[in-house]
Amino acid sequence: VKLVESGGDVVQPGGSLRLSCAASGFTFGSFALTWVRQAPGKGLEWVSTITATGDTTHYADSVKGRFTISRDNIRHTLSLQMNSLRAADTARYYCAKADYYDSGSYQYWGQGTLVAVSS
Amino acid sequence: DIVLTQTPLSLPVTPGEPASISCRSSQSLLHSVDGYTYLDWYLQKPGQSPQLLIYALSYRASGVSDRFSVSGSGTDFTLKISRVEAEDVGVYYCMQRVEFPLTFGGGTRVEIK
Repeated sequence: VKLVESGGDVVQPGGSLRLSCAASGFTFGSFALTWVRQAPGKGLEWVSTITATGDTTHYADSVKGRFTISRDNIRHTLSLQMNSLRAADTARYYCAKADYYDSGSYQYWGQGTLVAVSS
Repeated sequence: DIVLTQTPLSLPVTPGEPASISCRSSQSLLHSVDGYTYLDWYLQKPGQSPQLLIYALSYRASGVSDRFSVSGSGTDFTLKISRVEAEDVGVYYCMQRVEFPLTFGGGTRVEIK
């Protein structure tokens, strides 16, 4: 199993960014996927989860209405569209594979991609 | 939202000695339908991504040493390391997944004395 995040960058407050996670080594369309972030020097914060078929999504209150999680089960890619970015969104963003189609524990994580929101 | 409180924040340990980390939940993590307790433990070693140690209360993830175990039920849980080794240093997090939003404890930093 391999998860490789990309798309992190420095962006101004109010700006937008799209993160991607390329997955391989497992039956992509059978498992839920999640984004977890970690602000510099801080703990882990769950951001969003999408079920295997993409029909159900969940968001942390801190990102609801600004972030959109999606997946392409043909291209084996997970995405996170981030709009109206704030300084508080500055973090390393990890994608992680769940054990089941709708949730589960997270045995596999990517290496993360850095997002910095700064003027 | 379910709040997980971990103690202590920092834990200096002597190699070969045992160590314990507490995780208290604001609500029961016992699933009312299937009977599983949805508490997981992760270790983030310095400069690395988190790695799964324990899932569903007491099941060790693949490749995890049997020096790691969990006790507790309902809302109070303890991760125990029977004999700490140098490779165990890092930040330990508990995480609940009995309901969304998923939440993590604040983390416990384990360091060698």
